[in-house]
Amino acid sequence: SQTIHQWPATLVQPVGSPLSLECTVEGTSNPNLYWYRQAAGRGLQLLFYSVGIGQISSEVPQNLSASRPQDRQFILSSKKLLLSDSGFYLCAWSKGNGYTFGSGTRLTVV
Amino acid sequence: ELKVEQNPLFLSMQEGKNYTIYCNYSTTSDRLYWYRQDPGKSLESLFVLLSNGAVKQEGRLMASLDTKARLSTLHITAAVHDLSATYFCAVDQNAGNNRKLIWGLGTSLAVNP
Repeated sequence: SQTIHQWPATLVQPVGSPLSLECTVEGTSNPNLYWYRQAAGRGLQLLFYSVGIGQISSEVPQNLSASRPQDRQFILSSKKLLLSDSGFYLCAWSKGNGYTFGSGTRLTVV
Repeated sequence: ELKVEQNPLFLSMQEGKNYTIYCNYSTTSDRLYWYRQDPGKSLESLFVLLSNGAVKQEGRLMASLDTKARLSTLHITAAVHDLSATYFCAVDQNAGNNRKLIWGLGTSLAVNP
């Protein structure tokens, strides 16, 4: 069966510090991968999606970047965090019918 | 550009009552999803609706899809407190291999004794 792992679960980082959130998928190959952000518990904003290794599409200009170094690994990064980067970050994968979400990372930038 | 509108955004209901949440979308799509989110938690898939007239039921929740009207409904029957959560609908925007979800803003449901 397919599983998706996302870590860490919570993170408190100072403004200006770097960020690295990791997401891995098991039990499938060549999935579409997605990073979402949810602010204030409402609405999901698609940040990045990837249809294959090294292929990243950015949905909104921002302080973040994404990489897909391996087929089932998706990384969300920032060189310098802003206060506005705080939120709940969700990784998801899809292949065919349906999307499965990771457990999420709550990021607080202080 | 595909847009998804949910209503109501907030819903307070008594246990035992019925209610319907509506999800309208602006352009054609072949897939619509309903998700549940508990506070501080991730998203749990409830239903995937793939065709016009599709109806799926799980417990006290029933979802339907009318692709001609571009409308999906999530009907709650005899609500119980455990159904309190935020419910999202999302529509698949398919552009070649680049399939991605367009989300409604969510409906925050509170079921009161």
